[in-house]
Amino acid sequence: KQEVTQIPAALSVPEGENLVLNCSFTDSAIYNLQWFRQDPGKGLTSLLLIQSSQREQTSGRLNASLDKSSGRSTLYIAASQPGDSATYLCAVITNAGKSTFGDGTTLTVKP
Amino acid sequence: SAVISQKPSRDICQRGTSLTIQCQVDSQVTMMFWYRQQPGQSLTLIATANQGSEATYESGFVIDKFPISRPNLTFSTLTVSNMSPEDSSIYLCSVATDLPTYEQYFGPGTRLTVT
Repeated sequence: KQEVTQIPAALSVPEGENLVLNCSFTDSAIYNLQWFRQDPGKGLTSLLLIQSSQREQTSGRLNASLDKSSGRSTLYIAASQPGDSATYLCAVITNAGKSTFGDGTTLTVKP
Repeated sequence: SAVISQKPSRDICQRGTSLTIQCQVDSQVTMMFWYRQQPGQSLTLIATANQGSEATYESGFVIDKFPISRPNLTFSTLTVSNMSPEDSSIYLCSVATDLPTYEQYFGPGTRLTVT
């Protein structure tokens, strides 16, 4: 059974800092991996999707990497802003389209 | 991408009653999923609801408790039956694009409180 772990569970940083969120998974036979953010009381917003054949994806200040063989993905956020404060979730996707989610990292960026 | 709406956005229900949650997508999609997010926890997949086939339930979830309909490619419902306080959660509908990405998009969720 696939298990997804996210470290750290919570992170508080001053504005402007670069930071890395970690996601690890136990079964490397994944199809794709997707990062989301969730604001309190809201649904999930897709940030980046990395296909299993890719090593990384970039969108603006966000960069996500994937190392299938070691069962790891990282989400790098450059020059963090208070508006980045949210819970970040990673999900590993099977070839049937089903996802297993980690517990998330709650990020607080202080002005 | 896909834009997903859910109704109701929140509800407070009595123990023993049932609630039906609606999920509407702005485009035709084959794969649709229902998730539960209990307070302070991550998402747990309840079932996969692909149009044209019976819903497939994950371990720990049964059709009698969570019946699902998928009448067409843009709509689905999830019913939470015979509710108890343990059913208090956020219920989220999501869709996945087709191959090769299976990228998922989520609705805003339905916040259910059972008293």
